Amino acid sequence: TQLLEQSPQFLSIQEGENLTVYCNSSSVFSSLQWYRQEPGEGPVLLVTVVTGGEVKKLKRLTFQFGDARKDSSLHITAAQPGDTGLYLCAGAQGNNRLAFGKGNQVVVIP
Amino acid sequence: NAGVTQTPKFRILKIGQSMTLQCTQDMNHNYMYWYRQDPGMGLKLIYYSVGAGITDKGEVPNGYNVSRSTTEDFPLRLELAAPSQTSVYFCASSYTSTGAQPQHFGDGTRLSIL
Repeated sequence: TQLLEQSPQFLSIQEGENLTVYCNSSSVFSSLQWYRQEPGEGPVLLVTVVTGGEVKKLKRLTFQFGDARKDSSLHITAAQPGDTGLYLCAGAQGNNRLAFGKGNQVVVIP
Repeated sequence: NAGVTQTPKFRILKIGQSMTLQCTQDMNHNYMYWYRQDPGMGLKLIYYSVGAGITDKGEVPNGYNVSRSTTEDFPLRLELAAPSQTSVYFCASSYTSTGAQPQHFGDGTRLSIL
């Protein structure tokens, strides 16, 4: 059973377009993290959201944590080829673990 | 800064062979983790450790063993390699286990069992 469902699994867009990807769960998380992974490398943390309804911005990336702390979204404005990568969301679990989703593979075409 | 270092980067094993995947971190983190990543399946936790001498099973521990004799090192042992263990293995560490702290990942070991 996958605790975190990410959609869409794969998204290909042209440079300059906007995109939104989603991370949904039926479970409540105390916090949720977003990572980006590039080919041949390990995931790198982008942001952590803690409070329900919280919105965080990282340059052209906007992250939102749902009011009920069960879901999150990542919006990229004016996507660039450097945004290409696998975006992973991970929910904090009370037993010292992170539960990862399967990821959103984003490809930005120049 | 080195961060989390994994060796080797690539390895091919025959069925039934054994090997140890090495992981070391220089950030003095208490918590360390081993994950496997299969295509389209995200990261699955194999084992984790909350400090030297303490380890616990994750979601998919069968076929693997770990030890944590020092804060820096957290090796993962495969005793009898099976084709189902073909995967990319990531080691990670964090200062604490709380959700607000990031996990720092190595670049992975790509393992094929033939």
